[in-house]
Amino acid sequence: GDSVTQMEGPVTLSEEAFLTINCTYTATGYPSLFWYVQYPGEGLQLLLKATKADDKGSNKGFEATYRKETTSFHLEKGSVQVSDSAVYFCALSDGGAQKLVFGQGTRLTINP
Amino acid sequence: GAVVSQHPSWVICKSGTSVKIECRSLDFQATTMFWYRQFPKQSLMLMATSNEGSKATYEQGVEKDKFLINHASLTLSTLTVTSAHPEDSSFYICSARLGRRNTEAFFGQGTRLTVV
Repeated sequence: GDSVTQMEGPVTLSEEAFLTINCTYTATGYPSLFWYVQYPGEGLQLLLKATKADDKGSNKGFEATYRKETTSFHLEKGSVQVSDSAVYFCALSDGGAQKLVFGQGTRLTINP
Repeated sequence: GAVVSQHPSWVICKSGTSVKIECRSLDFQATTMFWYRQFPKQSLMLMATSNEGSKATYEQGVEKDKFLINHASLTLSTLTVTSAHPEDSSFYICSARLGRRNTEAFFGQGTRLTVV
């Protein structure tokens, strides 16, 4: 079945550091790919998405490019802030089924 | 964006009792809602897909008689944990989509269930 694998956390960085959180997937069809963020005590929020190969999703300084050849959707940000501290989930959706398949999540902590 | 509200945010119950969790789409109609379970420091595991007016579709390994799902209207789905035990303690999250095929999913804030 479809699956998503994220780099293990936790990840701790200093403010203004460069961030990469790796995400790879396996899917039988042509899924859409998502990054969700969960801030402490809150529900999940969509951070960005890409629906086809070579698409780049971007939001709040975060970017991720849908790489079909490497089945990856790595999340990047050039300069992180303390407010970016959260848990980040990579996910895919097989359009026909509508349901989301999540990676295990990566806890990110940014120190001032 | 669209709002999905869960109630309660947290609940503590005694072993053997049943607990009902509500998931409402506040400003849109959701023919399909999804129920997830999140263990501490782990990912979200899909439990079931709730379909308005029909039976829920459960994922493999999820006991449908223990986790009763009712989707009686286009804005409300409920999850009832029956005869709860301490191992059912977890964070339960619902979500709903605005439309079909790869549209954004909106999540409730989750319900922390503790069974004592």
